[in-house]
Amino acid sequence: GQNIDQPTEMTATEGAIVQINCTYQTSGFNGLFWYQQHAGEAPTFLSYNVLDGLEEKGRFSSFLSRSKGYSYLLLKELQMKDSASYLCAVLDSNYQLIWGAGTKLIIKP
Amino acid sequence: IAGITQAPTSQILAAGRRMTLRCTQDMRHNAMYWYRQDLGLGLRLIHYSNTAGTTGKGEVPDGYSVSRANTDDFPLTLASAVPSQTSVYFCASSEASVGEQFFGPGTRLTVL
Repeated sequence: GQNIDQPTEMTATEGAIVQINCTYQTSGFNGLFWYQQHAGEAPTFLSYNVLDGLEEKGRFSSFLSRSKGYSYLLLKELQMKDSASYLCAVLDSNYQLIWGAGTKLIIKP
Repeated sequence: IAGITQAPTSQILAAGRRMTLRCTQDMRHNAMYWYRQDLGLGLRLIHYSNTAGTTGKGEVPDGYSVSRANTDDFPLTLASAVPSQTSVYFCASSEASVGEQFFGPGTRLTVL
């Protein structure tokens, strides 16, 4: 079966750095997405990785290792508004997104 | 309209009733999707459409049907609602089946 694993919840301090990990086992791979979802709102796109390596976009970076079935999302200089759930999703061989359950990130002052 | 809209925002429905959730996008995206999101689970794909006139089944299609008569609209119908269909439903669209998906604000559905 297809499976996306990520921690259920993480806590970090304002101004710090946090890394959210995602491991996947899917039928085929056509890219990995990270989305942010604030409580009661729709998911919004953060990043897309299809090749191994690090993609940096402002305070957010995403890393992919296809051989290890592993990705992480790195958030720097954490702000209170970063409190949200972070969703990892893999585009499988049928070009359908398989979603993890999400990681709820709690930022403390 | 800017982006994707969904209606209604929320609904309480008696079991056995028929219900259509509406979704409209103005980005001229080819692909559209319906997901349900339940606590502790990832988003699960119900149905999708890669282009107007075509639809396909996702991971959890039973009890749901869709149509794609034109590019902009992608309604989801529950023929006879059951309590297990209580969920938050998100409609999404993307320019192509490979690209970033844009989500609507969601419909919170409760079936009693």
